[in-house]
Amino acid sequence: KNQVEQSPQSLIILEGKNCTLQCNYTVSPFSNLRWYKQDTGRGPVSLTIMTFSENTKSNGRYTATLDADTKQSSLHITASQLSDSASYICVVNGGGYQKVTFGTGTKLQVIP
Amino acid sequence: GAGVSQSPRYKVTKRGQDVALRCDPISGHVSLYWYRQALGQGPEFLTYFNYEAQQDKSGLPNDRFSAERPEGSISTLTIQRTEQRDSAMYRCASSLAGGGTTNNEQFFGPGTRLTVL
Repeated sequence: KNQVEQSPQSLIILEGKNCTLQCNYTVSPFSNLRWYKQDTGRGPVSLTIMTFSENTKSNGRYTATLDADTKQSSLHITASQLSDSASYICVVNGGGYQKVTFGTGTKLQVIP
Repeated sequence: GAGVSQSPRYKVTKRGQDVALRCDPISGHVSLYWYRQALGQGPEFLTYFNYEAQQDKSGLPNDRFSAERPEGSISTLTIQRTEQRDSAMYRCASSLAGGGTTNNEQFFGPGTRLTVL
C-alpha cells in the first residue's frame, strides 16, 4: 500500500531558529514529490516540486531535499518567522493517472 | 484567471439528508480531484477525473458517496443519507494535466465545511 509518513507530528520552535521536517514514502512507481504549506482554514499551497533526478530545491527560506534511493525527503526552514506557523504536507505522485498520496502533515508553530 | 472555487463554503445539514458539493476548477485544467480533510489531518483522497472520465474512485468511503463531472469542467460530489461521521472539510483541486512536474501541480479550492447534525 502506498504510504507517506511525516515526522514530527507537531513542532514548536522559537522565531529565528531553523527546523527540518521529515517525509518517508513507500509510493511506487514514483513521479514527483511536493511539499505544501497549509495555513489554518486555507487550502494547501505548493512550496517545492522535485522529480526523481532532483536532490534539492529551494524556495526562499525553504529548502527541500530528496533521496529517491531511501525514499526520504526533508523540508528545511531557515530563520523561521511567525508566518511560517502552519501545517506542512508532503505529497507523493505515483505518476500514471496522477494519483497522489498525502502525508498527514507536520504542524509547525513558531513562537516569539 | 480565477482559482478553484467551491460552493457552498459552509453546509449544515441534518442526518439522513442528501448534500451536493460543487467544484469549479481552473479553466482548462484537465484533472480534478476530491479530498476529505478531518481537523488536524492531511487531505484524504476520494476520487479524481480526467476530463469527464472518473479515473479512480477507490477513495470514496462507501456507496453513499458519488461524484460526477459530466462536461469535463464543473464537478459535483454528492453524499446521500448523510451521517455525522461525514462531517469534514471537503476540498477540490485541479491540475492542468499529467506528465510534467509543473503540469500536474494541484491547485486547491477553499473547501466546503460540511457539518452533519
